[in-house]
Formats: sequence, C-alpha cells, structure tokens
Amino acid sequence: KAGVTQTPRYLIKTRGQQVTLSCSPISGHRSVSWYQQTPGQGLQFLFEYFSETQRNKGNFPGRFSGRQFSNSRSEMNVSTLELGDSALYLCASSEQHTGELFFGEGSRLTVL
Amino acid sequence: QKEVEQNSGPLSVPEGAIASLNCTYSDRGSQSFFWYRQYSGKSPELIMSIYSNGDKEDGRFTAQLNKASQYVSLLIRDSQPSDSATYLCAVTGGANSKLTFGKGITLSVRP
Repeated sequence: KAGVTQTPRYLIKTRGQQVTLSCSPISGHRSVSWYQQTPGQGLQFLFEYFSETQRNKGNFPGRFSGRQFSNSRSEMNVSTLELGDSALYLCASSEQHTGELFFGEGSRLTVL
Repeated sequence: QKEVEQNSGPLSVPEGAIASLNCTYSDRGSQSFFWYRQYSGKSPELIMSIYSNGDKEDGRFTAQLNKASQYVSLLIRDSQPSDSATYLCAVTGGANSKLTFGKGITLSVRP
C-alpha cells in the first residue's frame, strides 16, 4: 500500500499570501488529521476530517481551514500568512478514528 | 486545556542500557495512549499503543500505563544507537476526541 502523500513538500511564501496544502491518505483510510509542528510548540492539532466532515478542530485562528473530499483526500488552506505560520505541516490518516496515525512526510512552509 | 507533559530531556544513555521515557496527562477521561518515534528530519511513526493499566511488551519496548496516577511510560531495553530519536507521547479521550501530543523527549544512545 502506498503511504500518506503530501504535496508540496517545500514552499516559500510571503506575508499576506495564502497557501493550500494537499494530502492523500492511505487507501481505505477515511480519517485525515492535520498537525502543525514547530521546534517551540511541538505537534499542534489543527483539525480532523472523517467522511468529509470536520470532526475536531484545534485552537487555531480562522485563517486555517480545511476540507475533505469524497475520495478521502484532504486539503488545508492558510490565508493571510504570517511569519509565525512557518512550520512543518503534517497530515496523518487512519482507518477509523483512533490514535493510530500514519503520517506523511509533511509540507515545510517558510513565510518571509 | 488538556495537556500532555514529557520530561524536558534530552536523555542520554549508553548502548545496552535501559532508557526510561515518562509522560503525564491532565485529562482523567483519557482512554488511549500512544508512543511515536520521530527521527531527525522524518515524520512521526507509531511504535506502541496501550489502552489498559499495566504493561505491554513488544520486543525491546515496554509501555506502562497507570491511569490512577495519570502516567504512561516507555522503556527501551538494550538501547541501540539506532534508537536515537525524539519520542512523542500522545493521548486521546476516546471516540471523536482529538489526539494530543506531548512536546517529545530526545533520546541519544551513546555507542
């Protein structure tokens, strides 16, 4: 089975721009979660989607949004980028809602 | 705010020793507990899960859970240099609740 695929792997944006990150889960996995990882804060939960519905949301501002499509692929969007949004964004999938997550390699975002 | 706390670390042990990694959590309703390993520059990977009080062994790894003390630990026996990584404790409250990670502890195994 192919693993979790995230695109793009690296990207550089400037303040005020927006960005869309994509995640393709493992085949058969219906749950997709997104995390932000920074050296200071560790892994911070953004949101979780299951069968196209957002099931949980973390404590991030409304600039962070996401969605899931009928094929379980997911996207997250960050609008009006700030310097502090520079981070590794990790997507993880699981068969059901469990803590047994399979992570993608991440999308590293740099905001200048 | 539900929190997961891990020893600040880093932790350094000699090859062949037992590494003990500890984690505490604040939500008494937590039901599922996980240990993930993250090598430098890589994404986290699940190494252990534990759901009930007591010990769970898998090869050189043993997870220990004490719900009364809100404490979960990971023991690595016969530590190898390849075990050098950051270990993340993660906790969830059950169905439909999010998985919360600790900040991790970096383990270094000296040859």
